[in-house]
Amino acid sequence: DGGITQSPKYLFRKEGQNVTLSCEQNLNHDAMYWYRQDPGQGLRLIYYSQIVNDFQKGDIAEGYSVSREKKESFPLTVTSAQKNPTAFYLCASSIAVDNEQFFGPGTRLTVL
Amino acid sequence: QKEVEQDPGPLSVPEGAIVSLNCTYSNSAFQYFMWYRQYSRKGPELLMYTYSSGNKEDGRFTAQVDKSSKYISLFIRDSQPSDSATYLCAMANFGNEKLTFGTGTRLTIIP
Repeated sequence: DGGITQSPKYLFRKEGQNVTLSCEQNLNHDAMYWYRQDPGQGLRLIYYSQIVNDFQKGDIAEGYSVSREKKESFPLTVTSAQKNPTAFYLCASSIAVDNEQFFGPGTRLTVL
Repeated sequence: QKEVEQDPGPLSVPEGAIVSLNCTYSNSAFQYFMWYRQYSRKGPELLMYTYSSGNKEDGRFTAQVDKSSKYISLFIRDSQPSDSATYLCAMANFGNEKLTFGTGTRLTIIP
């Protein structure tokens, strides 16, 4: 059963804490992406990775970090430097650049 | 001005009606155009993907691209209550990994 999984589905964090969101895909896709979705603003790109051990900042990378040690995995860390982290986080993957992106089910992060 | 403009709705139509969803864009370099459907608290699901002007049909869905007017549309025929969702348009340049999304249109099909 191929697809993209994200965990956890819901996450609560206290202010000042770092938290890591998981994203795994078994589609054999080279490219992976992290987006943030806020009401009325659409999806905004945080980070993306075209190949293992390489990643690039998107439009809103400040306060976030990523790693790409394996093709299947692209975890996102929301650090305490992110001023407004409460949002819906979406991971996506594609075969390569210029191809359609497929999304995971998302993680809703709430900062208490 | 945003690169991609999309009316957020909400849009309510009776079951069986034809639905028209639209996006306009300002960046003439956009070459790939996509429509995603997103149910509440779920990830977006790719509905249509096209890279040329004209129409592309898939079942009850038709995507239309007019590059000269910088305008794309998604038509849904014989709309069903299960079509109730938020519809997002997205577009990208050649060789660009970044998708630019519209804000989404919330659609409700009334039985």
